[in-house]
Amino acid sequence: AQSVSQHNHHVILSEAASLELGCNYSYGGTVNLFWYVQYPGQHLQLLLKYFSGDPLVKGIKGFEAEFIKSKFSFNLRKPSVQWSDTAEYFCAVKLTGGGNKLTFGTGTQLKVEL
Amino acid sequence: KAGVTQTPRYLIKTRGQQVTLSCSPISGHRSVSWYQQTPGQGLQFLFEYFSETQRNKGNFPGRFSGRQFSNSRSEMNVSTLELGDSALYLCASSLEEAGNTIYFGEGSWLTVV
Repeated sequence: AQSVSQHNHHVILSEAASLELGCNYSYGGTVNLFWYVQYPGQHLQLLLKYFSGDPLVKGIKGFEAEFIKSKFSFNLRKPSVQWSDTAEYFCAVKLTGGGNKLTFGTGTQLKVEL
Repeated sequence: KAGVTQTPRYLIKTRGQQVTLSCSPISGHRSVSWYQQTPGQGLQFLFEYFSETQRNKGNFPGRFSGRQFSNSRSEMNVSTLELGDSALYLCASSLEEAGNTIYFGEGSWLTVV
């Protein structure tokens, strides 16, 4: 069965620390990959996406992610987090040619302390 | 341009009742999907509609149904509500093109008592 795994459920960092959130997927075909963020009380917003080409993709607010096909991974990174990055982060996968069905990971709750 | 709009935003229903949630996609988007978000199960895909046809379906019981109208607006219905149906129901819309972004609405908070 298709699945997405996010290894870190809760992460606490101090401001200016570096962030890396893991995401692994289990799919047999060609995939599109996404990271979404959900700030407290707000709706899901797209941080970045990978469809093809350069496996290192840059998103909004200084976030980036690297697609490593051999490892079925799409880890999210940010060199220096801010208090405003406190949110829940979701990795999601979509099969190409399979409509717009997203399979989400369980999410990572990030808390950034001042 | 306006984002994905969902109504109502909050509602409380009694066990055994039914509920209908509405979603207006971003203008020009013909694909509309629905997701259920709960603390225990996370974000789970319910179904997707494209051009008034259900294109994908998740693993939910038949009590959960949906439809899409010719203007791409969509509704989902849950019949015979159970306490476990309490959740945030999210609607998402997108264009039908390679590299499309899927945009989410703010959701409808359903509480079943």
